[in-house]
Amino acid sequence: DAKTTQPPSMDCAEGRAANLPCNHSTISGNEYVYWYRQIHSQGPQYIIHGLKNNETNEMASLIITEDRKSSTLILPHATLRDTAVYYCIVRVGVGTGNQFYFGTGTSLTVIP
Amino acid sequence: GAVVSQHPSWVICKSGTSVKIECRSLDFQATTMFWYRQFPKQSLMLMATSNEGSKATYEQGVEKDKFLINHASLTLSTLTVTSAHPEDSSFYICSARSGAGTYGYTFGSGTRLTVV
Repeated sequence: DAKTTQPPSMDCAEGRAANLPCNHSTISGNEYVYWYRQIHSQGPQYIIHGLKNNETNEMASLIITEDRKSSTLILPHATLRDTAVYYCIVRVGVGTGNQFYFGTGTSLTVIP
Repeated sequence: GAVVSQHPSWVICKSGTSVKIECRSLDFQATTMFWYRQFPKQSLMLMATSNEGSKATYEQGVEKDKFLINHASLTLSTLTVTSAHPEDSSFYICSARSGAGTYGYTFGSGTRLTVV
């Protein structure tokens, strides 16, 4: 079952930073926070994941609060191609049998 | 990078027939694959976990006799929708773990099934 809460939709101006929040107040100590996105009629695409430290890669930054009950995905310079549904998922990190359960996600629209 | 290929990308079938969807890991071996279903404007719903060489594990409420899963090799899992009905029309997506560690899972591009 999904254990995250996200706003259903957000808008962001092209070129500006997009900050997508996620609440995961029941997260366990061994659960990671993953972010995926899904562009219309495609399979989800991995963005980033983290345990407790902030993470950054070529796509985005992940900020996790100190109590780990919430996180924020930051797309530093949103483009029109970033329009998608963004899913925040918590999952035990190790082991091949640990499933991803998707919540409702946030539909991000980047506006020209 | 790791690639998961699904085939076909879309299929139309008549009510009462069966349809097979293939999920292949192209450049890595996957002992475990996952099958999801997604209805329009809804999130992905996990249907089952496919384990190579053993029976699949189905999520609660998913009919295992209707959605047959076979994972006969380390690179191929198949989902067969048997006796399809219009309500089975959906977007079916598979995923597989693409490497060691906690990197995450790679998803296929999905199969759009329409039952008429």
